[in-house]
Amino acid sequence: DQQVKQNSPSLSVQEGRISILNCDYTNSMFDYFLWYKKYPAEGPTFLISISSIKDKNEDGRFTVFLNKSAKHLSLHIVPSQPGDSAVYFCAAISRAWGMDSNYQLIWGAGTKLIIKP
Amino acid sequence: NAGVMQNPRHLVRRRGQEARLRCSPMKGHSHVYWYRQLPEEGLKFMVYLQKENIIDESGMPKERFSAEFPKEGPSILRIQQVVRGDSAAYFCASSPTATNTGELFFGEGSRLTVL
Repeated sequence: DQQVKQNSPSLSVQEGRISILNCDYTNSMFDYFLWYKKYPAEGPTFLISISSIKDKNEDGRFTVFLNKSAKHLSLHIVPSQPGDSAVYFCAAISRAWGMDSNYQLIWGAGTKLIIKP
Repeated sequence: NAGVMQNPRHLVRRRGQEARLRCSPMKGHSHVYWYRQLPEEGLKFMVYLQKENIIDESGMPKERFSAEFPKEGPSILRIQQVVRGDSAAYFCASSPTATNTGELFFGEGSRLTVL
């Protein structure tokens, strides 16, 4: 029972173009979403997050969009750079559960992004 | 300015042996979390510890797995009598306080292979 789904195992994008990574969720209790980036043989690193009270959050080349009615979020990277090649994980938490549960991130399976030169 | 340190990075065990994975959190962090990643899957929460206390072990298998975070020294995830299905990457993360944003600092992981 996957509550967070990343349906594209991999994505290949030309350098300089826009990368769009998608994530769907099923649990309407989720109210905070995060994207983590992971290089091979390294741990995930936090990239960007969004609260359910917003529909967009931007940080430099990275923008996350949230569509609550569709239970869908996406990460846009523009322009894409070779160093962006990594696995991107979408994760969700429900802060409504209370602080004690806010570390229990529910993760998608990840999308491997390949930036072609 | 060390980050979260995990060792060993790679561990090979035969079925029935014990595996011990260690995690030193970032300096100043007293909250430690263990996650497991099976091949082709996302990370799954296992256990949350503060110094000398297990706060939440709801994600940890009831048997063979245990975790501790002593007053001195690293946090240890212990797997007794390992089986092939335990082969995975085990990630430790830390935070300075009980996080309410999910923003965790992860180590590089320990990759356990059970033969």
